[in-house]
Amino acid sequence: AQSVTQLGSHVSVSEGALVLLRCNYSSSVPPYLFWYVQYPNQGLQLLLKYTSAATLVKGINGFEAEFKKSETSFHLTKPSAHMSDAAEYFCAVRDTGGFKTIFGAGTRLFVKA
Amino acid sequence: GAGVSQSPSNKVTEKGKDVELRCDPISGHTALYWYRQSLGQGLEFLIYFQGNSAPDKSGLPSDRFSAERTGGSVSTLTIQRTQQEDSAVYLCASSPYEGEQFFGPGTRLTVL
Repeated sequence: AQSVTQLGSHVSVSEGALVLLRCNYSSSVPPYLFWYVQYPNQGLQLLLKYTSAATLVKGINGFEAEFKKSETSFHLTKPSAHMSDAAEYFCAVRDTGGFKTIFGAGTRLFVKA
Repeated sequence: GAGVSQSPSNKVTEKGKDVELRCDPISGHTALYWYRQSLGQGLEFLIYFQGNSAPDKSGLPSDRFSAERTGGSVSTLTIQRTQQEDSAVYLCASSPYEGEQFFGPGTRLTVL
């Protein structure tokens, strides 16, 4: 069965610092992996996705994530945090053979001035 | 183009009443999903529809919850005999085959 674990329900960084949000997954088949962002009082929108092409995936707003099969991880990074990055981030996994998508519990990112 | 729309945006109901939540997916998207997001919680999968296949109902929390999708388009999530623990934001998303999900703005349900 699929599952997603996001380590850390809250992450706080200073403006300009590295952002690292962790995501580990389990899947019985090669997965599709996604990161979504939810800004305050807004709906979820896609940041980036991995669909078995390049293992390093670049998304919007300077975010990227690397698929590491050996570690079953898909951590999200951004070299330099901006105040506007403050939001909740969700990692999600979907088996390539189906449509059911499981989301992690989310990580709320705080950015300090 | 038009995105996923949901109605109503807010619904306040009394405990024990039935409610219906509506989702209009993006035209041409074959998959439609319902999730529940409770305060401070992640997204809880409820159900998904894919084309003409039988829906995956494995996430519905009880038999008070049901959903249908008519004509492969509009979907309705029904909650019967609502309870206070049903209070949450109910999110709908649609997806093209093998694509990411596009989310609607959600319906905030409050059960008094």
